[in-house]
Amino acid sequence: DAGVTQSPTHLIKTRGQQVTLRCSPKSGHDTVSWYQQALGQGPQFIFQYYEEEERQRGNFPDRFSGHQFPNYSSELNVNALLLGDSALYLCASSPGTVNTEAFFGQGTRLTVV
Amino acid sequence: LAKTTQPISMDSYEGQEVNITCSHNNIATNDYITWYQQFPSQGPRFIIQGYKTKVTNEVASLFIPADRKSSTLSLPRVSLSDTAVYYCLVMEYGNKLVFGAGTILRVKS
Repeated sequence: DAGVTQSPTHLIKTRGQQVTLRCSPKSGHDTVSWYQQALGQGPQFIFQYYEEEERQRGNFPDRFSGHQFPNYSSELNVNALLLGDSALYLCASSPGTVNTEAFFGQGTRLTVV
Repeated sequence: LAKTTQPISMDSYEGQEVNITCSHNNIATNDYITWYQQFPSQGPRFIIQGYKTKVTNEVASLFIPADRKSSTLSLPRVSLSDTAVYYCLVMEYGNKLVFGAGTILRVKS
């Protein structure tokens, strides 16, 4: 079992550009959540996808959007990148949406210059 | 807004038992208490989760008093490889994890 896999592992973008990050959940998991972790801070919840719909959303602007595909994989899109978007972006998957253990991927390190 | 408060850092020595206490005074009825471990440049790793009383697994124990306003993670006989950031967090209904700042645990030889 490959666990949660994210791609790419590292990415450098320029201010104003758009970026797409990808996540494949652990086998058997149908729920995917995305988190942003700035340096030295705890992860912050961005949103959660289940049954191809956004089910919950954290306090992030509309520049952050996502998608879940029928095979449960997910994408995180960020438009009009700002320097402050530089962070480790983590994907977590779980089997269902009620009090189940969430498994995290290794993350994508995004640097905006 | 983080729902938990925990020490910023702790130091220990190999072979000792480490107890990290976390306060969550405003925990909701449906929230679970969950602990994660994170190494630099890696995703958090699940340690243990509980709702009340005591939970034990192969790596840790979690003690939660009846009022659920605090919890204590107990790591038996730590080793150098246990040096990491430990997050106490509440799992809100719907599997939303609310992370705080975490506790940096440094294990010395």
